Amino acid sequence: DTAVSQTPKYLVTQMGNDKSIKCEQNLGHDTMYWYKQDSKKFLKIMFSYNNKELIINETVPNRFSPKSPDKAHLNLHINSLELGDSAVYFCASSQVGQVLFGPGTRLTVT
Amino acid sequence: DQQVKQNSPSLSVQEGRISILNCDYTNSMFDYFLWYKKYPAEGPTFLISISSIKDKNEDGRFTVFLNKSAKHLSLHIVPSQPGDSAVYFCAANFGNEKLTFGTGTRLTIIP
Repeated sequence: DTAVSQTPKYLVTQMGNDKSIKCEQNLGHDTMYWYKQDSKKFLKIMFSYNNKELIINETVPNRFSPKSPDKAHLNLHINSLELGDSAVYFCASSQVGQVLFGPGTRLTVT
Repeated sequence: DQQVKQNSPSLSVQEGRISILNCDYTNSMFDYFLWYKKYPAEGPTFLISISSIKDKNEDGRFTVFLNKSAKHLSLHIVPSQPGDSAVYFCAANFGNEKLTFGTGTRLTIIP
């Protein structure tokens, strides 16, 4: 019984395409996040949602749009993909303090 | 502006010995610190944390030390085991649960 799950695990696509990554948590947590780990291994927050409301939006291009249909889901939609979007994207959730991460989605833009 | 720094990108330690991973931070507002462990192709997993009101927290083989005046924390693993080989990330936050991560240290335990 996975706590934070993401699909797909790997995503290879061409520049200019639009793609989505799905995330679900079955922990009953109120807060969900998207983090990005780039080629230099920096792990940085992109978005944070609390009870379906956007709380944190770090300087992320408008091409990235998170959507939270309910408390247990936070999907990430990316428009007009660029080469620089290639990275590993981690979904995470938390209640108080400890943040739990999903397994990651490796996105490769060619 | 890297607010959380792990200056050693890699560390090799003999099995059975102590592994010491270091982390420095610049933002004095941080009040909660965490260590995460990451295996290849997996998400980071929580290891141990410490609040800024403490200077030490211990959980089995893992101990985290916090020196607020030096803005420094360290993770001690003793005894080190082969399964401890992974990338270790230090992270910090204050209030809003937005974690700021260091760049990670790859720990290799030599059998």
